[in-house]
Amino acid sequence: GAGVSQSPRYKVAKRGQDVALRCDPISGHVSLFWYQQALGQGPEFLTYFQNEAQLDKSGLPSDRFFAERPEGSVSTLKIQRTQQEDSAVYLCASSLVGQGGRDTQYFGPGTRLTVL
Amino acid sequence: DAKTTQPNSMESNEEEPVHLPCNHSTISGTDYIHWYRQLPSQGPEYVIHGLTSNVNNRMASLAIAEDRKSSTLILHRATLRDAAVYYCILRDRVKAAGNKLTFGGGTRVLVKP
Repeated sequence: GAGVSQSPRYKVAKRGQDVALRCDPISGHVSLFWYQQALGQGPEFLTYFQNEAQLDKSGLPSDRFFAERPEGSVSTLKIQRTQQEDSAVYLCASSLVGQGGRDTQYFGPGTRLTVL
Repeated sequence: DAKTTQPNSMESNEEEPVHLPCNHSTISGTDYIHWYRQLPSQGPEYVIHGLTSNVNNRMASLAIAEDRKSSTLILHRATLRDAAVYYCILRDRVKAAGNKLTFGGGTRVLVKP
């Protein structure tokens, strides 16, 4: 079956531009997660949705980062006024339930954002 | 949050077993031990998880120490496709913080033909 898909796969932005990154989770998955992975580092948690509710946004680095999942399926991560330090791979993951610390998260291929 | 410690890198020969250690001395009684791996230019993928007993699946085995302060991921016969960064992650099964994955630096595994 189809896995998690993300678009675009690559995005180059000029400093100060706004960008929008899309994630299509596995159909029927309740929970959706966004992670940021800097070069040579492990992924870091950004935010988490259960259906359309954003339950945890503690990892968003600044108020320039905004995520939404209005119908409980597709999610968009928006970064306003991009800065060079925003350059990273943005990973999306979904899971069937998302609670209990044991369900499997399925990751997309990521979007590589480069801010010039 | 309980932390994990892994070696930065390990090398193995193809078709030989690989033992990846992970120390988690501050693990709590409600923490699951998860392993994910990340192949080059891909998102992480689930490998295995356990709580107290050793676990086996088609990808690997997980050996958990009796005091749960350490664990070992075992790849029985490494292939070139197993070259990846392997992450050992603790997830609380009760607290909401366990919903997310907290990655460390992981262990980069190099498989030599």
